[in-house]
Amino acid sequence: EPEVTQTPSHQVTQMGQEVILRCVPISNHLYFYWYRQILGQKVEFLVSFYNNEISEKSEIFDDQFSVERPDGSNFTLKIRSTKLEDSAMYFCASDRDRVSQQYFGPGTRLTVT
Amino acid sequence: GIQVEQSPPDLILQEGANSTLRCNFSDSVNNLQWFHQNPWGQLINLFYIPSGTKQNGRLSATTVATERYSLLYISSSQTTDSGVYFCAVERPGGYNKLIFGAGTRLAVHP
Repeated sequence: EPEVTQTPSHQVTQMGQEVILRCVPISNHLYFYWYRQILGQKVEFLVSFYNNEISEKSEIFDDQFSVERPDGSNFTLKIRSTKLEDSAMYFCASDRDRVSQQYFGPGTRLTVT
Repeated sequence: GIQVEQSPPDLILQEGANSTLRCNFSDSVNNLQWFHQNPWGQLINLFYIPSGTKQNGRLSATTVATERYSLLYISSSQTTDSGVYFCAVERPGGYNKLIFGAGTRLAVHP
């Protein structure tokens, strides 16, 4: 069964550094998402992306965050200048259309020191 | 925005016991999914169930959309069922943005 993949599985970075989290959505999916989960808390929506532009973003998704689909397979989340509070698990998801099941990747655990 | 409430927040079971987890939501939904978060933090999709009933092995789920709730049944629980169970919903017109509940933390003891 096709699956969403994410790299790296764990990233440690210093405060103020830029990080790029990578995702490969399922190949025939058109809608892409990023979510994050701070340790011990619920999963929160960050951003949705369709047709090379952001469809919706949450209050969390400020100017420090950006997303990109640089080629036909990858979908990336960039954090320009990381803060301690960005430490979390980041999940990528994709779906075929806006009313179908979302498929989640295994997550990237980001630790900011 | 739409509210998603899960109960109970914590559940402790002996291996072999059955359980029912509940998800209430405050508005009509297009999409409802149940996930199991394993000890490594991965979200494992259990069910895509905006309405009706589905079964997969020892797990089954029912969503009554008109009454705004969903139930996840776990039968003959095993220690590997331990973890956090999340319900997530998407409201109509919401660009399929999933709103997650706070989860039910399940511990199954041998």
